[in-house]
Amino acid sequence: EADIYQTPRYLVIGTGKKITLECSQTMGHDKMYWYQQDPGMELHLIHYSYGVNSTEKGDLSSESTVSRIRTEHFPLTLESARPSHTSQYLCASTGGPPDTQYFGPGTRLTVL
Amino acid sequence: AQSVAQPEDQVNVAEGNPLTVKCTYSVSGNPYLFWYVQYPNRGLQFLLKYITGDNLVKGSYGFEAEFNKSQTSFHLKKPSALVSDSALYFCAVRDSINDYKLSFGAGTTVTVRA
Repeated sequence: EADIYQTPRYLVIGTGKKITLECSQTMGHDKMYWYQQDPGMELHLIHYSYGVNSTEKGDLSSESTVSRIRTEHFPLTLESARPSHTSQYLCASTGGPPDTQYFGPGTRLTVL
Repeated sequence: AQSVAQPEDQVNVAEGNPLTVKCTYSVSGNPYLFWYVQYPNRGLQFLLKYITGDNLVKGSYGFEAEFNKSQTSFHLKKPSALVSDSALYFCAVRDSINDYKLSFGAGTTVTVRA
């Protein structure tokens, strides 16, 4: 098991609320990623970071934002949650070559 | 551009029988190939990878995969499936000169019946 953590594991909130999904890794990896996944479906990359103060949008457009102030921490924020944001969010990280991505357990978000 | 295809949405096998999950890929350079497994309400667990060298790669839990450059395939195999192997399997690829992002297949649900 990789040392990458996500909290909360499950979150049920009402529309319009601001939320932050936490992701931390203790492996010193410089590259981190956020994926969105509907149950049993494929993964879509929504954000990634190659180091502190570096963030990029992924292949799937997302209303969420991310920050990378510390190497080990890569939180994702939704300023105003909507039912369309209901999904599972997976965080991953990689270190040096050959860049195997290791995943956290995921946060299952439900917006009512 | 890089992409992965997993042609089968579902694979059903009896316990003790061989298991194969198919994957084909497309990259512009040399591929880095990965297999992951996902159990319900969990993140993805790394199974094995091909970077270079021997075309037959051995990984966790008795799984192996064969890299075939001419067929651009990287099929996952297990000689004798267990009920506990029932899960969702993802193949992923990145170009060895790309910017470290992985492209994932749509996933294959494996069901092993007792």
